Amino acid sequence: AQKITQTQPGMFVQEKEAVTLDCTYDTSDPSYGLFWYKQPSSGEMIFLIYQGSYDQQNATEGRYSLNFQKARKSANLVISASQLGDSAMYFCAMNSEGGNKLVFGAGTILRVKS
Amino acid sequence: KAGVTQTPRYLIKTRGQQVTLSCSPISGHRSVSWYQQTPGQGLQFLFEYFSETQRNKGNFPGRFSGRQFSNSRSEMNVSTLELGDSALYLCASTRQGFTGNEKLFFGSGTQLSVL
Repeated sequence: AQKITQTQPGMFVQEKEAVTLDCTYDTSDPSYGLFWYKQPSSGEMIFLIYQGSYDQQNATEGRYSLNFQKARKSANLVISASQLGDSAMYFCAMNSEGGNKLVFGAGTILRVKS
Repeated sequence: KAGVTQTPRYLIKTRGQQVTLSCSPISGHRSVSWYQQTPGQGLQFLFEYFSETQRNKGNFPGRFSGRQFSNSRSEMNVSTLELGDSALYLCASTRQGFTGNEKLFFGSGTQLSVL
C-alpha cells in the first residue's frame, strides 16, 4: 500500500529564511512520482515541484527544491528565501500505481513571519 | 495556455438532491481525475477517466459517478446528497497518465455545501 507521511502539522519561518518541509513515503513500486503542491486559503492546488523515482538529480523549480533521498524514502521540500506569500498549506503526494491517481499526505501549514 | 477549469466555484444544495460538477482539462491532456477534500479525511481520490473510460476508482459509494466526453472534459455527479458530502472537489489533469511519472495540474475546485 502506498502512504505519504508529513509529520509537521505546522511550521513557522522568518521572512527571507529557508525552510524544509518533511515528507516520507512508502511504496513497493519501483516507478513512482513525488509531488509537492501549495494550497492557499483560496483552495486551489498549485503545482510546485515534481521528482521521478528514476531521476538522478534532485528537482529544482525557482525557490523550490526537492531533497530526494531514495534509500530513506524521503522527499523533503526546501523553500529558499521565504516570502509572506508562501504562507499556505503544503501537500506532499505520490503517484505509483500508474494512471492519474495521487495519494496525499495530511499537509503542513506554513506561516511566514515578517 | 489555459489551466484546468472547474465550474461552478461554489454550490449550495440540500440533502437528497443531486449535483453535477464540471472540469475542463488543460488542452492536450486526456486524463482527468477527481479528488474530495474534507477537514476530517483530507484529500481522497474519487476516480480517473482517460479516453472516455474510467481507468481508476477510489473507495467511494456508487452515489459518486463521473464521465468523460470526447473532448476530454469531465463531469462528476453526486446523487442523493448527504451532509458528509460537503467538501472541496478538485479536478486534476495530465497528458496520458500511463505511469506515475507525469505532472498533474489541478483546477481551483468546486466548494460544495450540503444543508
